[in-house]
Amino acid sequence: DTEVTQTPKHLVMGMTNKKSLKCEQHMGHRAMYWYKQKAKKPPELMFVYSYEKLSINESVPSRFSPECPNSSLLNLHLHALQPEDSALYLCASRRNSGSTDTQYFGPGTRLTVL
Amino acid sequence: SQQGEEDPQALSIQEGENATMNCSYKTSINNLQWYRQNSGRGLVHLILIRSNEREKHSGRLRVTLDTSKKSSSLLITASRAADTASYFCAHRGSNYKLTFGKGTLLTVNP
Repeated sequence: DTEVTQTPKHLVMGMTNKKSLKCEQHMGHRAMYWYKQKAKKPPELMFVYSYEKLSINESVPSRFSPECPNSSLLNLHLHALQPEDSALYLCASRRNSGSTDTQYFGPGTRLTVL
Repeated sequence: SQQGEEDPQALSIQEGENATMNCSYKTSINNLQWYRQNSGRGLVHLILIRSNEREKHSGRLRVTLDTSKKSSSLLITASRAADTASYFCAHRGSNYKLTFGKGTLLTVNP
């Protein structure tokens, strides 16, 4: 199984809502990533988890709260978002050992904040 | 963070033609990778070239790396309509953080 899954595929939320994005992989990868991608732009790194511990936070506003409950799951909790947070949110994973740097990406969650 | 530059930003060709995309970067690298993204979808890893390699092939893909010029190129031969996508180069810095270039939007017309 070389798949990273993300739910939901689409999400529309108001600025006062609380919602969560979910990501799952069963490849035994121990590094997991959240990226934000605006239209016609490259992905921008938000968070990195390594062995279920947060290792990189790219100065992301606190209205985005990541969580890694176990080695297969990664969540992104959303609260009090702004319209400019509307974007494609991508999850990725990587085997955290050996020489491979390949990241496996999920299909993304298209988020619209009204 | 610094981002690489890809050129061209957009490329339109006919099916069967070759497509060449270039990428430049600013820092020293361990490796350089190329990813493809179909419209609004996740990225798919295409090929990785290490800093001590100069050229690598995978199917219809050929990647070159010139570390003295801090540049790489991706050649897709005998393009197909299904190759229509955005192509990003990415290089790894510390902590296995990938920094992506701005991307090239390739359109292959049938």
